[in-house]
Amino acid sequence: AQSVTQLGSHVSVSEGALVLLRCNYSSSVPPYLFWYVQYPNQGLQLLLKYTSAATLVKGINGFEAEFKKSETSFHLTKPSAHMSDAAEYFCAVSEGYSSASKIIFGSGTRLSIRP
Amino acid sequence: DAGVIQSPRHEVTEMGQEVTLRCKPISGHNSLFWYRQTMMRGLELLIYFNNNVPIDDSGMPEDRFSAKMPNASFSTLKIQPSEPRDSAVYFCASSLAPDGNSPLHFGNGTRLTVT
Repeated sequence: AQSVTQLGSHVSVSEGALVLLRCNYSSSVPPYLFWYVQYPNQGLQLLLKYTSAATLVKGINGFEAEFKKSETSFHLTKPSAHMSDAAEYFCAVSEGYSSASKIIFGSGTRLSIRP
Repeated sequence: DAGVIQSPRHEVTEMGQEVTLRCKPISGHNSLFWYRQTMMRGLELLIYFNNNVPIDDSGMPEDRFSAKMPNASFSTLKIQPSEPRDSAVYFCASSLAPDGNSPLHFGNGTRLTVT
């Protein structure tokens, strides 16, 4: 069964600094991988997804993630943090190759931005 | 596109009462998911449907929880009787899920408080 581990429940960076949120996955087949963002009092929104077309995936709001099979990782990065990036971020994995698949979420990482 | 619509946004009820949460997925989506989010347990998948049929309900915590999807545009999650430990934010999400890599579209959630 697939699983995902997010290292660090809380990450704090200064405005303008590099953002790095870590995600490692476990899957018995080539996975689909996702990053979602959740702002207060809202549902999750898709940031980006990996579906094997390219190992470096670009998403919205300047975020990107790199799939590294050898490290079973899918870390999320942004070169320069903005105050509006403060939110909770979830990594997710799916092994689904049929319409009966499901997506499993990590425990989330809360990102804080210092002025 | 109105997105996934959940109602009510907030529900406060007393222990022992029946609670019904409602969800309208995005038109054309054939998969629907119910998640529960708490500080202690994070985001948990309760049940998901494909083409209105329950595929996996292994995440439903107890027999007090039940979910239905009578048609492609409506689903309910019912808790009867409710208990204080059911207090959480409940999210509904839908997706196209033709091959498992379609991202989820979340509603804004229902915040349930059981006193």
